[in-house]
Amino acid sequence: TQLLEQSPQFLSIQEGENLTVYCNSSSVFSSLQWYRQEPGEGPVLLVTVVTGGEVKKLKRLTFQFGDARKDSSLHITAAQPGDTGLYLCAGETGNTGKLIFGQGTTLQVKP
Amino acid sequence: DADVTQTPRNRITKTGKRIMLECSQTKGHDRMYWYRQDPGLGLRLIYYSFDVKDINKGEISDGYSVSRQAQAKFSLSLESAIPNQTALYFCATGDPIGEQYFGPGTRLTVT
Repeated sequence: TQLLEQSPQFLSIQEGENLTVYCNSSSVFSSLQWYRQEPGEGPVLLVTVVTGGEVKKLKRLTFQFGDARKDSSLHITAAQPGDTGLYLCAGETGNTGKLIFGQGTTLQVKP
Repeated sequence: DADVTQTPRNRITKTGKRIMLECSQTKGHDRMYWYRQDPGLGLRLIYYSFDVKDINKGEISDGYSVSRQAQAKFSLSLESAIPNQTALYFCATGDPIGEQYFGPGTRLTVT
């Protein structure tokens, strides 16, 4: 069974702090995606990374794909209350069209 | 208008009842998916379809069935609901590069 382990599962920080969420697996992924989900809504795609070592930035969010394409990280700089939500990583192996999701990281940013 | 819609948004039903969850999309994608979400478990794939004549089981298909009525419509049925099927259910579409777009979800409670 392919697994994606996300850590930490819960994170509560003050506004202005930095944080990193990790997504690890023993499997190699052809692509890895990060989603953000708010209560009462479906996950929304933030970014897709496909190349080992790739770094993508989305305003204060930085996404990195590991060199071996087995892991990824999401770093948020100067977190704001609007960043609060559930962050999910999801990987695709081969070109199956199916995603394997991590358990998610619940982030709470306090004003 | 939302690209992926789900009905109903909330449903309470009794053990043994048959229930259908419906999903429609206007994104024009061939790929559609049904997931369930439980706290701490992320999203788990129930069924997926890559075109109208294609239906595939996901990792947790037991107790569920699906119907792909058209490119835009994909419904999920619980033939005889049981309490451990209480969960959030999400429909998603997928584009050719593997990115997925989720509906707002259905909160199902089986008593």
